[in-house]
Amino acid sequence: GDSVTQMEGPVTLSEEAFLTINCTYTATGYPSLFWYVQYPGEGLQLLLKATKADDKGSNKGFEATYRKETTSFHLEKGSVQVSDSAVYFCALSDRSGGGADGLTFGKGTHLIIQP
Amino acid sequence: DADVTQTPRNRITKTGKRIMLECSQTKGHDRMYWYRQDPGLGLRLIYYSFDVKDINKGEISDGYSVSRQAQAKFSLSLESAIPNQTALYFCATSDPGFNEQFFGPGTRLTVL
Repeated sequence: GDSVTQMEGPVTLSEEAFLTINCTYTATGYPSLFWYVQYPGEGLQLLLKATKADDKGSNKGFEATYRKETTSFHLEKGSVQVSDSAVYFCALSDRSGGGADGLTFGKGTHLIIQP
Repeated sequence: DADVTQTPRNRITKTGKRIMLECSQTKGHDRMYWYRQDPGLGLRLIYYSFDVKDINKGEISDGYSVSRQAQAKFSLSLESAIPNQTALYFCATSDPGFNEQFFGPGTRLTVL
């Protein structure tokens, strides 16, 4: 079945540091890939997405490129801020593979940015 | 106003009790979902619905049931709650092209 693996946290960085959160996936079809963010006490919000190979999703300074050859969708940001502290989830949707509807999520990475 | 709302936001109940979690949406989406979030496990799909006549089991449906009362309402029930159902529960909707899912704020359920 489909699965998503992302680096475990917590990840602690200083403000203005470079961020990478690794995400790799396994899917039977041609999935769409997503990064969601969950701020404390809130639901999940879509951060960015990519629907086909070599697409780059970007939003709020975050970027991720859909790499089919390495089955990866790593999240990056050049200079993080304290306000970026949250839990980040990598997810996929593989309706083309005939699986159940809904998203398959990674376990989440807790990011802590220190001033 | 929020597009996807969930009630209650927090609930503490006892083993064996029946409990219902409710979700309402104003986005006009046909597809609705219930997920469960546990620490270190991410989110897992419980049930999903394509419309009021179409209900489907997800990855972890045992011990849960759902009701789609209208396009805008999708309820999750625990007929006889048990402690390992203690978790954060999220409702979500998606657009017809499934380009994005929209999540509610979550219901924190504790079963003693």
